[in-house]
Amino acid sequence: QSALTQPASVSGSPGQSITISCTGTNSDVGGYKFVSWYQQHPGKAPKLVIYDVDNRPSGVSSRFFGSKSANTASLTISGLQPEDEADYYCMSHTSSRTLVFGGGTRLTVL
Amino acid sequence: QITLKESGPTLVKPTQTLTLTCTFSGFSLRSSTVGVGWVRQPPGKALEWLGIIHWDDDKWYSPSLKNRLSLMKDTSNDQVVLTLTNMDPVDTGTYFCAHSQMTYHSGSGSSHFDFWGQGTLVTVSS
Repeated sequence: QSALTQPASVSGSPGQSITISCTGTNSDVGGYKFVSWYQQHPGKAPKLVIYDVDNRPSGVSSRFFGSKSANTASLTISGLQPEDEADYYCMSHTSSRTLVFGGGTRLTVL
Repeated sequence: QITLKESGPTLVKPTQTLTLTCTFSGFSLRSSTVGVGWVRQPPGKALEWLGIIHWDDDKWYSPSLKNRLSLMKDTSNDQVVLTLTNMDPVDTGTYFCAHSQMTYHSGSGSSHFDFWGQGTLVTVSS
């Protein structure tokens, strides 16, 4: 299975909004409501920030918003803060009853 | 409070078998919709999903590792064991275990990882 496609990097200034895309196929992202997003700071374990496309776990800031259109899922972070600087990964269920991650996106807060 | 911790060797030789144990607390693998998954990350690279074992002993494996990977659960001791055979230097990386929660939509079910272990670095070298 191929990794989902994410931009290598995105950047934004404090207070701005950014969107990270995650593109797959009809057999993964487009076929199911099972996309999750993870935030990973250097040297740390990933942290779940969105599950099932648009659900936020308890304790995750409302500045994190997930959505999906066709084969592309998106993570939008509004009101950027310095602590948002991290790597972000999407993950999707596939028709083969497996899971697959995206290649990761490095978010830089300028 | 859910916690997980990975344990095992930090160095293995090529062709050897890697055995890692995930010891968890705060949940039971007997509970419906619960699972434990494994994810690895080569140094400086992306996350890679390896596999997941569900409460009902249903196991999903990455197609690229299916012939080498095995997951087993020990519900009495709250542990999940990962076995990866024929190790190669490309298998070097940090291995994470994570608690998974299954959800259902339109007749299908899948999992996401809501609690993670700290990870353990495994180096494959002779």
